[in-house]
Amino acid sequence: GDSVTQMEGPVTLSEEAFLTINCTYTATGYPSLFWYVQYPGEGLQLLLKATKADDKGSNKGFEATYRKETTSFHLEKGSVQVSDSAVYFCALSDLNTGFQKLVFGTGTRLLVSP
Amino acid sequence: DAGVTQSPTHLIKTRGQQVTLRCSPKSGHDTVSWYQQALGQGPQFIFQYYEEEERQRGNFPDRFSGHQFPNYSSELNVNALLLGDSALYLCASSLGLPVNEQYFGPGTRLTVT
Repeated sequence: GDSVTQMEGPVTLSEEAFLTINCTYTATGYPSLFWYVQYPGEGLQLLLKATKADDKGSNKGFEATYRKETTSFHLEKGSVQVSDSAVYFCALSDLNTGFQKLVFGTGTRLLVSP
Repeated sequence: DAGVTQSPTHLIKTRGQQVTLRCSPKSGHDTVSWYQQALGQGPQFIFQYYEEEERQRGNFPDRFSGHQFPNYSSELNVNALLLGDSALYLCASSLGLPVNEQYFGPGTRLTVT
C-alpha cells in the first residue's frame, strides 16, 4: 500500500539556520503531496502542497519540490525562527487509485532555539 | 469564515464505555474525514463521509462507526472502548469528491482509563 517515510526527529536548530526535513513516498499511482504542521496542543494546518511532478509548493518561507524520479518531497526553509518549532508531517493522497484518504508519515519534531 | 470545529476538546472514559465525538466542517465543505492520532504518531485514516454515506474506510474495527447529517456535520462513535483507543481524534473537511485538500479541526483528546 501507499506509505510515507520521514526523517526521525527531533531536529534541533538555532534561529536563522537552514532547515531540511526529508520525506520519501511509495505509491502505486501519481499522488498529490502535502506538508502539514502541528503546533503544540493544536490540530494540523496545511503548510504547502504539490499535485504533480516538478511542482514546487511554497508558503511562509517553506518550500518543497515534487520529485517523481526520487519519489521525494523534502521540506526546506532558508532561515528558521523560534516560532517554527512544531511537528511537521509529510502526507500523500492518491486520487488515481480512487483512494480519498491522506496517508501520513510519523512526523518530524523541529526545535528552534534563539 | 468558521473553520472546522470539534467537540468536546477533551474526554475521559472508562474501558468498555461508548463515546461520541462531533465535528462541524468548514463553511462550504460537504465531505468529512476522521483520523486517529496516537501519541507520537502520524494520523491514521478511520473513514470518510460524503452525502451522508460512508465512502471509504481504513483498517479500523466495526467498533468505530460514524454518521453524517444533512447539514454536513458528522459524528464518530466508538463502542466498547479499549485502552488503545486513547488518542487525538481529528476531523478534516473538504469540498466534494475526489478529495484533494483537507482542512483539519483542533481535535478531541480521548483518554481511556
